[in-house]
Amino acid sequence: GNSVTQMEGPVTLSEEAFLTINCTYTATGYPSLFWYVQYPGEGLQLLLKATKADDKGSNKGFEATYRKETTSFHLEKGSVQVSDSAVYFCALSIQGGKLIFGQGTELSVKP
Amino acid sequence: GAVVSQHPSWVICKSGTSVKIECRSLDFQATTMFWYRQFPKQSLMLMATSNEGSKATYEQGVEKDKFLINHASLTLSTLTVTSAHPEDSSFYICSANPSGTDTQYFGPGTRLTVL
Repeated sequence: GNSVTQMEGPVTLSEEAFLTINCTYTATGYPSLFWYVQYPGEGLQLLLKATKADDKGSNKGFEATYRKETTSFHLEKGSVQVSDSAVYFCALSIQGGKLIFGQGTELSVKP
Repeated sequence: GAVVSQHPSWVICKSGTSVKIECRSLDFQATTMFWYRQFPKQSLMLMATSNEGSKATYEQGVEKDKFLINHASLTLSTLTVTSAHPEDSSFYICSANPSGTDTQYFGPGTRLTVL
């Protein structure tokens, strides 16, 4: 079946540290992959996406590369800020436009 | 672009009453919208897929008679929680795909508290 697995949180980092949040998936076919971010009390915002193997999605300093050989889509940022504190969700799309979400990873960045 | 709104943003109601939540795509048309619920510190659980002009498709375990979905236009879907009970208290989030894309854009969510 289709599933998404993320590294467990919470992840606590100091400002300007390097961030990696691991995401792996299982899927039939060739899904699109997404990272969404949820700030406290809000809905989800699309952070970045990739639609095919070797594509790199990027936005606001965050990057993720669609790795078909390792079925991964790890999220990275070179220097995090306090304002990046949020919950990050990895997701894949399946037929019919449905999204399968990972369990979410809470990131807390300390000054 | 690709903005989705929800109304209300929060609602408190008494047990046994019904609550309607609206989801609107503000700058695009969406033949398909999705309804999720989210419990504190958990991921989103897909409840149903709302299709414009036809019946919604519910996920396994979601009571269609309790969570009524209407998608009357290409920019509006509504979720009505009927005879709400405290266990229905949750954060309800909708999303929509611009037609022809696989990217979902999410509303800001509606927090429902049933007393």
